[in-house]
Amino acid sequence: GAVVSQHPSRVICKSGTSVKIECRSLDFQATTMFWYRQFPKQSLMLMATSNEGSKATYEQGVEKDKFLINHASLTLSTLTVTSAHPEDSSFYICSARDLGTAKNIQYFGAGTRLSVL
Amino acid sequence: DAKTTQPPSMDCAEGRAANLPCNHSTISGNEYVYWYRQIHSQGPQYIIHGLKNNETNEMASLIITEDRKSSTLILPHATLRDTAVYYCIVRGRANTGNQFYFGTGTSLTVIP
Repeated sequence: GAVVSQHPSRVICKSGTSVKIECRSLDFQATTMFWYRQFPKQSLMLMATSNEGSKATYEQGVEKDKFLINHASLTLSTLTVTSAHPEDSSFYICSARDLGTAKNIQYFGAGTRLSVL
Repeated sequence: DAKTTQPPSMDCAEGRAANLPCNHSTISGNEYVYWYRQIHSQGPQYIIHGLKNNETNEMASLIITEDRKSSTLILPHATLRDTAVYYCIVRGRANTGNQFYFGTGTSLTVIP
């Protein structure tokens, strides 16, 4: 099946620093990628839709200046958590939809666990 | 978007069939039913999807009622590795909106 690679898998940073997470579709092209956040014992919450070559679409309540998204190619989207604080500690997961199929199947990365000290 | 309702948890004996129900009574005519599962601390894994006909693949079977208001995911011979949270999502085809909104899912525990 389609493979989505997410890097890094885990990151620990100091409060106030910025963290970049990469999401790559390895064997397919994706004009649309998605970013989710998951807190312990909760479900995935959609943060934003990343569109190749255009601005991302953010869900209500998600700060676009806090969570910067760049989707510069058909295989790469990045999420930057700017000026991270302890409350941003969470499990961040990306997904990508295969452009080459009409099926609306999203393939997910393995996730990035962010811990802000 | 159509909302889904799933039981919060279920147990299943190893080797037996696991039947996971999902209610989606407000589903519209062009919306598909997708099933994903998430093993602890991993990204969700696609299982199966369908529109109105029953579907089967190497992982599972999907039974959709005739009125499409509910569906059941069947894992025919559950193993310990099937212990996970299973999510049922309804959404349109690719060109009608791509976002997936996850509900709370069903936490399936396969018991030895």
